[in-house]
Amino acid sequence: GAVVSQHPSWVICKSGTSVKIECRSLDFQATTMFWYRQFPKQSLMLMATSNEGSKATYEQGVEKDKFLINHASLTLSTLTVTSAHPEDSSFYICSPKLAGEETQYFGPGTRLLVL
Amino acid sequence: GNSVTQMEGPVTLSEEAFLTINCTYTATGYPSLFWYVQYPGEGLQLLLKATKADDKGSNKGFEATYRKETTSFHLEKGSVQVSDSAVYFCALINGGTALIFGKGTTLSVSS
Repeated sequence: GAVVSQHPSWVICKSGTSVKIECRSLDFQATTMFWYRQFPKQSLMLMATSNEGSKATYEQGVEKDKFLINHASLTLSTLTVTSAHPEDSSFYICSPKLAGEETQYFGPGTRLLVL
Repeated sequence: GNSVTQMEGPVTLSEEAFLTINCTYTATGYPSLFWYVQYPGEGLQLLLKATKADDKGSNKGFEATYRKETTSFHLEKGSVQVSDSAVYFCALINGGTALIFGKGTTLSVSS
């Protein structure tokens, strides 16, 4: 099956710093990348959708200047949390998808803790 | 709008017990329905899916039937194993491009 990696798997940072999360599709090319976040005992909430080479589309309530998404290649997408604050502490999950398919694949997630 | 509601967990069972995790959805039209599973420390994996009414998805002994009349997609397994311990997510896609998830149900199976 499709293999997706995320790095780092967990990160602790100070308030005000920026954190970059990488998502790689290791054995397929992802034309679309979704980024989700998950709070404890809550559902996965879609943050944004990006297509390779295009600007990301953000869901209502998600600040595009705070959560920077880059999808410059078909195998790599990054999510940068800028000027992180404690309320940004969450579990971030990437989900790549092939063009024309419904099936989404998922990375193992990155747990972010902002102190 | 589109939404998914699944039963609250955790669900705790003994090995070989019967499992049901309820899932209902709200959507216009004809969504595709999915069950994903997340084992500890791993990413979500597709367990099974159904794309139209009365379809039954099945995999690894798990089954779920797309019931349009009750807007449900309940997950069942006749005999659970310890290795089935995980978090199970019901989800749908409805004309859009991203999965919409339920909150997840934690299953714990003891020997």
